[in-house]
Amino acid sequence: AAGVIQSPRHLIKEKRETATLKCYPIPRHDTVYWYQQGPGQDPQFLISFYEKMQSDKGSIPDRFSAQQFSDYHSELNMSSLELGDSALYFCASSLNSGLAGGLYNEQFFGPGTRLTVL
Amino acid sequence: DAKTTQPNSMESNEEEPVHLPCNHSTISGTDYIHWYRQLPSQGPEYVIHGLTSNVNNRMASLAIAEDRKSSTLILHRATLRDAAVYYCILRDSGGGGADGLTFGKGTHLIIQP
Repeated sequence: AAGVIQSPRHLIKEKRETATLKCYPIPRHDTVYWYQQGPGQDPQFLISFYEKMQSDKGSIPDRFSAQQFSDYHSELNMSSLELGDSALYFCASSLNSGLAGGLYNEQFFGPGTRLTVL
Repeated sequence: DAKTTQPNSMESNEEEPVHLPCNHSTISGTDYIHWYRQLPSQGPEYVIHGLTSNVNNRMASLAIAEDRKSSTLILHRATLRDAAVYYCILRDSGGGGADGLTFGKGTHLIIQP
């Protein structure tokens, strides 16, 4: 079965540079989520999109922005990178249309993008 | 979101049952109890969820206390592949399905061969 695809899998950037992470959800999924997991830490929710509109917002820094496109893929744009942005970035997708609240729908996570800021 | 409390780590032997507890004493009537796990070097994966009644699926069982202030994830026969961090997460049904998950500290499950 098709899974969530994230690219690139690894990314190395210098401080103050910008980075763009891409996420391709499972086909027919309409919701995308972004999470950040620092070294030795638990995943932290950043932001989510449902049907191309921002749905929920977590602890996403102002230097980061994201969007979901018409084909449902999503991109996380990170500017003015800091050393503390080094982390694993996970994208997840789910199908929320047609069900009350969509709470029955599990989130399927991708393999993550490992970002290293030097 | 209501807070959950889990033991930092637990250890079990292969092919034995494992009971992973979670306390959520401030749970509200509209909160669902979800469990996810994260295997080493992988993204989290869904395990099971429930509201009031006990639930079973191919991966695990979820036992929910009558007052809903605690729950237990049961792995009936642990294998080495079950070694992971297990997260108990509450999701408010009024919040909508596109809300992010709030991961707490989780339980690091160690399986001995």
